[in-house]
Amino acid sequence: GQQLNQSPQSMFIQEGEDVSMNCTSSSIFNTWLWYKQEPGEGPVLLIALYKAGELTSNGRLTAQFGITRKDSFLNISASIPSDVGIYFCAGQTETSNTGKLIFGQGTTLQVKP
Amino acid sequence: KAGVTQTPRYLIKTRGQQVTLSCSPISGHRSVSWYQQTPGQGLQFLFEYFSETQRNKGNFPGRFSGRQFSNSRSEMNVSTLELGDSALYLCASSLAGLAGELFFGEGSRLTVL
Repeated sequence: GQQLNQSPQSMFIQEGEDVSMNCTSSSIFNTWLWYKQEPGEGPVLLIALYKAGELTSNGRLTAQFGITRKDSFLNISASIPSDVGIYFCAGQTETSNTGKLIFGQGTTLQVKP
Repeated sequence: KAGVTQTPRYLIKTRGQQVTLSCSPISGHRSVSWYQQTPGQGLQFLFEYFSETQRNKGNFPGRFSGRQFSNSRSEMNVSTLELGDSALYLCASSLAGLAGELFFGEGSRLTVL
């Protein structure tokens, strides 16, 4: 089936550093989304992207919808300890708007104060 | 505004039993999606309901079923439980026009012994 390849699998960084993670697919996606999950909680939506080439920011987070529609990246600037968690990319191939998403395997981020 | 509520949060069952999980979406959200999260397979789409109708279904056996009520609340059922069904089951709701922007509950953690 369709898969999203998310990398890196994990990151251990120093507080204040910038972070970059990305997702690639062999299939074209119509929507890319980025979620963050903390222990004991469900994923929380960070950024949604709907158009190829779109660059969207949410505070210190910036994400882009790749021109080929087969990839997306998420950057976090000036990381802080509360950025710790698992970050998931998700894509939607459906042309209609549905809740059916394909998720990447996640990037586990640890931040050292 | 109350978030997505899932009950029960934790449950333990034995092989062969069946289980029903409940989800109350955010008020005004008519789309409810269910996902299974495991360490090995990650987040996988189970099914989506909109206006009491199943709109999408993932690649899970028929033992997994669901339904949605007129107040948008949803239930999912797993019959003849297997050890591999142990997982975190996440419910997510979304607005009709932004169905990919999911708001997740905290999940129901099922352990099958």
